[in-house]
Amino acid sequence: EPEVTQTPSHQVTQMGQEVILRCVPISNHLYFYWYRQILGQKVEFLVSFYNNEISEKSEIFDDQFSVERPDGSNFTLKIRSTKLEDSAMYFCASSEAHRGVETQYFGPGTRLLVL
Amino acid sequence: GEDVEQSLFLSVREGDSSVINCTYTDSSSTYLYWYKQEPGAGLQLLTYIFSNMDMKQDQRLTVLLNKKDKHLSLRIADTQTGDSAIYFCAESGANFGNEKLTFGTGTRLTIIP
Repeated sequence: EPEVTQTPSHQVTQMGQEVILRCVPISNHLYFYWYRQILGQKVEFLVSFYNNEISEKSEIFDDQFSVERPDGSNFTLKIRSTKLEDSAMYFCASSEAHRGVETQYFGPGTRLLVL
Repeated sequence: GEDVEQSLFLSVREGDSSVINCTYTDSSSTYLYWYKQEPGAGLQLLTYIFSNMDMKQDQRLTVLLNKKDKHLSLRIADTQTGDSAIYFCAESGANFGNEKLTFGTGTRLTIIP
């Protein structure tokens, strides 16, 4: 069964460093998402992406964050200058279409720790 | 903004039914979902319900929706040890360009042998 994959599974970085989290969505999916979950808190929406542009972003997704689909398979989240509070589990998701029941399929997540 | 609430923990004896509850605030929610997260794994979609439905059954899973009270529940019949996980309730609207999922805190289901 097709699945969303994410690399790395864990990343430790120093505050102020740039990190790139990688995702390979399901191949025929057109919509891509990033969510994050700070330990003990809710899963929060960060950004959605379609047709090579951001379709929606949350207030968390400030100028330190960017997303890119550099080729036909990868979808990346870049944090330009990490802060301690960026430590979280980051989930990538993809969906075939954009309306309701075309559900989002999630990857296993990347656990980011900023020291 | 939208908010989704769940209780944090539930313990159930193996073989009994589990009922996980969720409340939400957004009256324009169109789809409501249940996701399961096992340790070290991603969020696995279990089932969803459209807001014009009251109930949906899928094998051991029954979803009940009370739209008036904005209350959603997931019943797992004959709970097994493999059902141990965190269960997330989530909602989305169907407005074009607004398909983000809003999640609850997750309910950790523990099975007592």
